[in-house]
Amino acid sequence: GNSVTQMEGPVTLSEEAFLTINCTYTATGYPSLFWYVQYPGEGLQLLLKATKADDKGSNKGFEATYRKETTSFHLEKGSVQVSDSAVYFCALTPGGYQKVTFGTGTKLQVIP
Amino acid sequence: DTGVSQDPRHKITKRGQNVTFRCDPISEHNRLYWYRQTLGQGPEFLTYFQNEAQLEKSRLLSDRFSAERPKGSFSTLEIQRTEQGDSAMYLCASSVTGTGTYNEQFFGPGTRLTVL
Repeated sequence: GNSVTQMEGPVTLSEEAFLTINCTYTATGYPSLFWYVQYPGEGLQLLLKATKADDKGSNKGFEATYRKETTSFHLEKGSVQVSDSAVYFCALTPGGYQKVTFGTGTKLQVIP
Repeated sequence: DTGVSQDPRHKITKRGQNVTFRCDPISEHNRLYWYRQTLGQGPEFLTYFQNEAQLEKSRLLSDRFSAERPKGSFSTLEIQRTEQGDSAMYLCASSVTGTGTYNEQFFGPGTRLTVL
């Protein structure tokens, strides 16, 4: 079956530090890959996506590249802000209309 | 606000009681999904509808759980004879049929259920 493994948190960084959250996946075929973010007290929001190998998704300074050879989709940001503090979920769907399979989430805390 | 809405936002009940949650999707979205999220975990798929048809159910959805979407608009999720293990956040998401390789699911704020 499909699965997503992401690094455990919490991750605590100082403001302006570099962020990497690792994510690897197992899936048949060619899944679409996502990063969702959940800010405190809010619902899940799609942060970025990539639908085929070597695609780079980007949004709000965050980036992730779909690496089929390593089955990875690591999230990066060059300079984090306090407002980036949230829980980040790596996820996949094998097809556009099917259920999303999520990782367990990584909590990021950015301190001033 | 035209996003996905869920009601109630919080529900506290005693073990053995029945509870019902409602989800109102984005108006033009024909697909509706239910997920369950327990503390420290990612959301887990429960079931999904295309219009009023329930097309897939997870094995997590025991016979105490039932979901409906009678007119292809809002949906309800009912849990009968609640157990403490049902305590979780219940998330609803909706999407629209697309021709591409994926279609984004938009999530509601969730209903947090606590079973005492």
